[in-house]
Amino acid sequence: DAGVIQSPRHEVTEMGQEVTLRCKPISGHDYLFWYRQTMMRGLELLIYFNNNVPIDDSGMPEDRFSAKMPNASFSTLKIQPSEPRDSAVYFCASSFGQGGTEAFFGQGTRLTVV
Amino acid sequence: SQQGEEDPQALSIQEGENATMNCSYKTSINNLQWYRQNSGRGLVHLILIRSNEREKHSGRLRVTLDTSKKSSSLLITASRAADTASYFCATDEGAQKLVFGQGTRLTINP
Repeated sequence: DAGVIQSPRHEVTEMGQEVTLRCKPISGHDYLFWYRQTMMRGLELLIYFNNNVPIDDSGMPEDRFSAKMPNASFSTLKIQPSEPRDSAVYFCASSFGQGGTEAFFGQGTRLTVV
Repeated sequence: SQQGEEDPQALSIQEGENATMNCSYKTSINNLQWYRQNSGRGLVHLILIRSNEREKHSGRLRVTLDTSKKSSSLLITASRAADTASYFCATDEGAQKLVFGQGTRLTINP
């Protein structure tokens, strides 16, 4: 398996524009996590899914952020409208099974909002 | 939300020395995990310790868990330059979450 695949790797956009980040989890994994990493806040859990269903979105910062998982092999994180303070590295991770197992991370998307 | 808090925030040692990093957390857990992140890369899983375990080894890594103190430590023995990275602990907060601390930046000097 190629691992967790995120796209794009880098995104530069203007304030007010819509941004969509994409993630393909490892085949067979039933948990998917979205994180945001900044120097100030560290690695924040935004939302996670189990079997394509959002379980906990309490980390989503504002209504401008939304995440979907239409099927087991694809998820999106959308920011609309984007703001400069959304600039960060966004990571997607997936894991399999209950009871605590290792998560596999993608390479991340570095988002810059100017 | 931030669950685990690592200590120290930064650590610089000589190659060959041992490195110890600590993690404290707030809620009950089923397990605690340690991850490594090289600059500009995603996180890589190192080791998982369950709440009913007190110590676990994997190669040069040794992890301890004290649930009464809500703390864990990661020991890297005989450090190498390639161990230079940030290290994070992560807890499940009793569910299937994976919540990370701020991390410890480890620098191994040749």
